[in-house]
Amino acid sequence: QQQVKQSPQSLIVQKGGISIINCAYENTAFDYFPWYQQFPGKGPALLIAIRPDVSEKKEGRFTISFNKSAKQFSLHIMDSQPGDSATYFCAASPGGADGLTFGKGTHLIIQP
Amino acid sequence: GAVVSQHPSRVICKSGTSVKIECRSLDFQATTMFWYRQFPKQSLMLMATSNEGSKATYEQGVEKDKFLINHASLTLSTLTVTSAHPEDSSFYICSATRQGPSAQHFGDGTRLSIL
Repeated sequence: QQQVKQSPQSLIVQKGGISIINCAYENTAFDYFPWYQQFPGKGPALLIAIRPDVSEKKEGRFTISFNKSAKQFSLHIMDSQPGDSATYFCAASPGGADGLTFGKGTHLIIQP
Repeated sequence: GAVVSQHPSRVICKSGTSVKIECRSLDFQATTMFWYRQFPKQSLMLMATSNEGSKATYEQGVEKDKFLINHASLTLSTLTVTSAHPEDSSFYICSATRQGPSAQHFGDGTRLSIL
């Protein structure tokens, strides 16, 4: 049973465009939702995270939108750049001190 | 920022060998460390949670006698893959977090290849 569903599996966006990745979760005990960026052969790097008490969080070009009633959250990358090309994972946990349940990942390609 | 170092970055060894992987938090005290496994082009799967001075908590389906975890200090956790076989070949990644709810910071992983 996959507890965090991520889509799309792959995404191609033109430079300067907006990249949007969506996730949905099932476990209502989840209350911490981070997004990670991973380059080949490297570990995931934390981009941005949100808790259910807010509906949106923005850090630079990265924005998380959170819909608690729908149990969905999304990552928006504004002004996408070729350097953003990577695999992005959404994740969730019952608390920040617990192990993470990851989505299956989105392979993002930003075309120059 | 929080830095987590993992060593070695790559291991190639023969079937039956035991392999130890180290995970260190370099600039903070990690009360909790996690071990994940990632198959090629797939997601990360939590294997176990390690708290300093306590026995690790393993996820369902993970053999605790196969994957030995030790968290002897606030900056070091080790994962030993005992009597490794080709099916154990994978990318093993650790993460560390400070006390209480806080972000997990990941190491760069260890690519384990069992011949």
